[in-house]
Amino acid sequence: DAGITQSPRHKVTETGTPVTLRCHQTENHRYMYWYRQDPGHGLRLIHYSYGVKDTDKGEVSDGYSVSRSKTEDFLLTLESATSSQTSVYFCAISVGGGADTQYFGPGTRLTVL
Amino acid sequence: AQSVTQLGSHVSVSEGALVLLRCNYSSSVPPYLFWYVQYPNQGLQLLLKYTSAATLVKGINDFEAEFKKSETSFHLTKPSAHMSDAAEYFCAVSRVNAGGTSYGKLTFGQGTILTVHP
Repeated sequence: DAGITQSPRHKVTETGTPVTLRCHQTENHRYMYWYRQDPGHGLRLIHYSYGVKDTDKGEVSDGYSVSRSKTEDFLLTLESATSSQTSVYFCAISVGGGADTQYFGPGTRLTVL
Repeated sequence: AQSVTQLGSHVSVSEGALVLLRCNYSSSVPPYLFWYVQYPNQGLQLLLKYTSAATLVKGINDFEAEFKKSETSFHLTKPSAHMSDAAEYFCAVSRVNAGGTSYGKLTFGQGTILTVHP
């Protein structure tokens, strides 16, 4: 258990509504990541953080924003959810980026109707 | 830009048979390479990683992978499959920037579902 929790674990929402997913870690790791998993695409990086208030975009960041106001929490927000954002979202943490192992949370299954 | 290709979205083997999952990457600079495993309804777990030390990397549960620069490959093998190996496997690459920094941003392959028959 890498001390990562994600909330909620399941969510169903409607198109156009805002959604926030939370990733919480107890490890005090510097790096945190948000990925989405879709069949046939593996996992794709949405945003990542390399410190408090230090965030940057990944390869599929359009329609998503993030915030990290304290080390242990990394929030992913869908400002106006669309059906194309129906996916499983995983948070990951690592000590130092680079070749350091990433530890993944249990995932959040989001359905946008 | 970097990319990862896993050859074969589904691989089926018999229990006790050799497991071979293929991964090819493209990267303009020497990469870090990873294999992760995902069991149903769970997050990903690291099997092994290559970080420019030994080219033959051993991981958990008797899995190993060999980095071959000339072939840009990092195939995953296991000598004898167990029923418990049934899962989805992901190859991933993390790039080192020109300045020598790396934020650990992973690019994943599409995944290979391994089925093990009794």
